Amino acid sequence: GAVVSQHPSWVICKSGTSVKIECRSLDFQATTMFWYRQFPKQSLMLMATSNEGSKATYEQGVEKDKFLINHASLTLSTLTVTSAHPEDSSFYICSAREEGAYEQYFGPGTRLTVT
Amino acid sequence: AQKVTQAQTEISVVEKEDVTLDCVYETRDTTYYLFWYKQPPSGELVFLIRRNSFDEQNEISGRYSWNFQKSTSSFNFTITASQVVDSAVYFCALSEVPGRRALTFGSGTRLQVQP
Repeated sequence: GAVVSQHPSWVICKSGTSVKIECRSLDFQATTMFWYRQFPKQSLMLMATSNEGSKATYEQGVEKDKFLINHASLTLSTLTVTSAHPEDSSFYICSAREEGAYEQYFGPGTRLTVT
Repeated sequence: AQKVTQAQTEISVVEKEDVTLDCVYETRDTTYYLFWYKQPPSGELVFLIRRNSFDEQNEISGRYSWNFQKSTSSFNFTITASQVVDSAVYFCALSEVPGRRALTFGSGTRLQVQP
């Protein structure tokens, strides 16, 4: 079956620094990738949708200058949290979908802790 | 706008009991998909089922069964003879078809199965 990986699986960074999270589709070409955020004991909320080769579409309330998304290839999307603050600490999950396909496959998630 | 409601925040049962997790959705789309995911403590989402809005047949997979009723906009999930390994957070989700197909998640139901 289709596999999506995320790297790193967890990261601790200091306040004010930037951290990059990678989302890769390992055995299919993902024309669309989604980034979700999940705060402790809460649901998953869509942050942005990225299509390969074009700018990401951000959900209302998500700062595009703070959460930089790049989908430069059909197998890789990156989320960079810039100038991280403790309130950015969360579980970030990506999912990927092939063009025309109904299924989307979720990565295992990245737990970010900002100290 | 789409909305998924999981009114049960937390359910606790004793092993071998049957348990039903409720899901009610709202959408203006005539075509959509409904999903159930399991999220164990590790955080990784485990796909359980996808149901097309045109297919109202109930489905059974081992100890799991799903009841889709369009008339009441509900997509309930029943676990028969629950086991300790079923302990997790369960999410119901909805996506539009066609469209970008990002998922709208419910708030989740935490199921605790006691031995």
